[in-house]
Amino acid sequence: GAVVSQHPSRVICKSGTSVKIECRSLDFQATTMFWYRQFPKQSLMLMATSNEGSKATYEQGVEKDKFLINHASLTLSTLTVTSAHPEDSSFYICRAEPTANTGELFFGEGSRLTVL
Amino acid sequence: AQSVAQPEDQVNVAEGNPLTVKCTYSVSGNPYLFWYVQYPNRGLQFLLKYITGDNLVKGSYGFEAEFNKSQTSFHLKKPSALVSDSALYFCAVRDPWTYKYIFGTGTRLKVLA
Repeated sequence: GAVVSQHPSRVICKSGTSVKIECRSLDFQATTMFWYRQFPKQSLMLMATSNEGSKATYEQGVEKDKFLINHASLTLSTLTVTSAHPEDSSFYICRAEPTANTGELFFGEGSRLTVL
Repeated sequence: AQSVAQPEDQVNVAEGNPLTVKCTYSVSGNPYLFWYVQYPNRGLQFLLKYITGDNLVKGSYGFEAEFNKSQTSFHLKKPSALVSDSALYFCAVRDPWTYKYIFGTGTRLKVLA
């Protein structure tokens, strides 16, 4: 099946620093990638949808200047948490959608961010 | 509003017993329905999906789910649970109008040895 790689799997940073998380589709081209945030014991919250070569579309309540998303190629999207604070600590998961959508969803392994 | 409900936060079952994880949805039209499993600190893994056809769908690791249109349900089942099935299970629906995916809140399955 299709593989989505997410890196890093865990990151710990100091408050005020920025952290970049990468999401790569390894064996398919992804026109669209999605970024989710998952709080403990809660479901996935869609943060934003990114289409290759264009600006991301953010869900209501998500600060676009705080969570910078870049989708420069058909196989790579990045999420940068800028000036991170402890409340940004969470599990972030990306999803890549193949150009030929079969209906199945392909998720990255997730990245656990801890901001001290 | 379109929604997916997983009424149980946690389901406990003894190893070897059958398990059911419930999911109901409220989506107009004919949605696509999915089940995903998440192990600790991992992404979601696909288990099975229903798009059309036979109401009983078989998926990975011996899981199956039954689509019931009249009850708008898509419960996940397995005849004989394994300890290794312990994980967080998500039901998801693709809205046929917006193509957006809606996830349930997840059900934690604990299979006891």
